[in-house]
Amino acid sequence: QKEVEQDPGPLSVPEGAIVSLNCTYSNSAFQYFMWYRQYSRKGPELLMYTYSSGNKEDGRFTAQVDKSSKYISLFIRDSQPSDSATYLCAMRNSGNTPLVFGKGTRLSVIA
Amino acid sequence: EAGVAQSPRYKIIEKRQSVAFWCNPISGHATLYWYQQILGQGPKLLIQFQNNGVVDDSQLPKDRFSAERLKGVDSTLKIQPAKLEDSAVYLCASSPPTGSNEKLFFGSGTQLSVL
Repeated sequence: QKEVEQDPGPLSVPEGAIVSLNCTYSNSAFQYFMWYRQYSRKGPELLMYTYSSGNKEDGRFTAQVDKSSKYISLFIRDSQPSDSATYLCAMRNSGNTPLVFGKGTRLSVIA
Repeated sequence: EAGVAQSPRYKIIEKRQSVAFWCNPISGHATLYWYQQILGQGPKLLIQFQNNGVVDDSQLPKDRFSAERLKGVDSTLKIQPAKLEDSAVYLCASSPPTGSNEKLFFGSGTQLSVL
């Protein structure tokens, strides 16, 4: 079993839809959870960062972490064509341990 | 604020040749990372530097890959000799010296094709 599992998609939705992206993980020591967005031919950029369990909201984006289920989610409300990108979940333990990335989910928002 | 600079953007070589990539991190960022991203995969850490020193190189194939960070600023990653399976995007990232090493700033990467 891989440490971080993420459905690669592709996921195609109409403009204005609510998008749900998810990752599961196996390492119960993970404490820091991130979502990165990667546009084609670009490097990933940090979108959301959450420590431990709970929710975090930033504009149209909401990140949720459920450590009991080892499951994290990213919700995008009122999705826009500019949201079309690959979304990577990433997580790590405490201390100076490296990030472990999921494979990424490719999202297309159709106008 | 200037971002992480990488060059070249693209490189095509034949197997068994050597290749080098260059990275200039964001000014003041003490930590520098090299990641390998194979098509359809998430980035995988190859090596992490803190200033001049290596923090983690456990996933670097040391028989063919090498990296250095000059004076704690620029860095180069070298592959010698290259194999077909080295075809990937090589991403450089840096993070500020505030302990938030999950808040990485990535460059646009170098896309390597090994034929």
